[in-house]
Amino acid sequence: AQSVTQLDSHVSVSEGTPVLLRCNYSSSYSPSLFWYVQHPNKGLQLLLKYTSAATLVKGINGFEAEFKKSETSFHLTKPSAHMSDAAEYFCVVSVDAGGTSYGKLTFGQGTILTVHP
Amino acid sequence: DGGITQSPKYLFRKEGQNVTLSCEQNLNHDAMYWYRQDPGQGLRLIYYSQIVNDFQKGDIAEGYSVSREKKESFPLTVTSAQKNPTAFYLCASRGTLAGGRNEQFFGPGTRLTVL
Repeated sequence: AQSVTQLDSHVSVSEGTPVLLRCNYSSSYSPSLFWYVQHPNKGLQLLLKYTSAATLVKGINGFEAEFKKSETSFHLTKPSAHMSDAAEYFCVVSVDAGGTSYGKLTFGQGTILTVHP
Repeated sequence: DGGITQSPKYLFRKEGQNVTLSCEQNLNHDAMYWYRQDPGQGLRLIYYSQIVNDFQKGDIAEGYSVSREKKESFPLTVTSAQKNPTAFYLCASRGTLAGGRNEQFFGPGTRLTVL
């Protein structure tokens, strides 16, 4: 079984300050981990993904995340927030259990990021 | 442009009516998925299909049906048996190279409201 917990339902930052969105996961197998962003009434856009290569993953728009197996975490960070970063963010785990290609995604509950001027 | 299209963007339905949501992709992906999104609940998997003419129930399939007659198309029917159909519906697809380590690509969504 796999699960994802996003530790904050809402995060509020000022423009130009760092962003930290926290995510913990559990998985019986070696997971792939993803962060997606969703703007209001839009589909989901992939920010970055971890698939067992480098543990520090760089994504689009200046975001990055670090896979820490010992802490079962995959927190999303950005050094300096921009107004356009305001959106909902989803941490997602995928497990290719038993060598299948099913790739079922399990989503966290989402974190709404608000950026103040 | 390669991508996933969903139509319509907004859909209104009267109680007791079936309605079909369209999802088309030109990414040549084998696998396609339907999710339902409700506020504060993330995304929940309704149905998925790994190949043409085959599909499987997800976590919340009751009251929904799908078909996969063509690789590029995966329509979802919301039936009158679905007790709470008002939601945002997202379609996704995924290439099957590298197994489950590929990301899913999402369409723009359809917001269904039952009146």
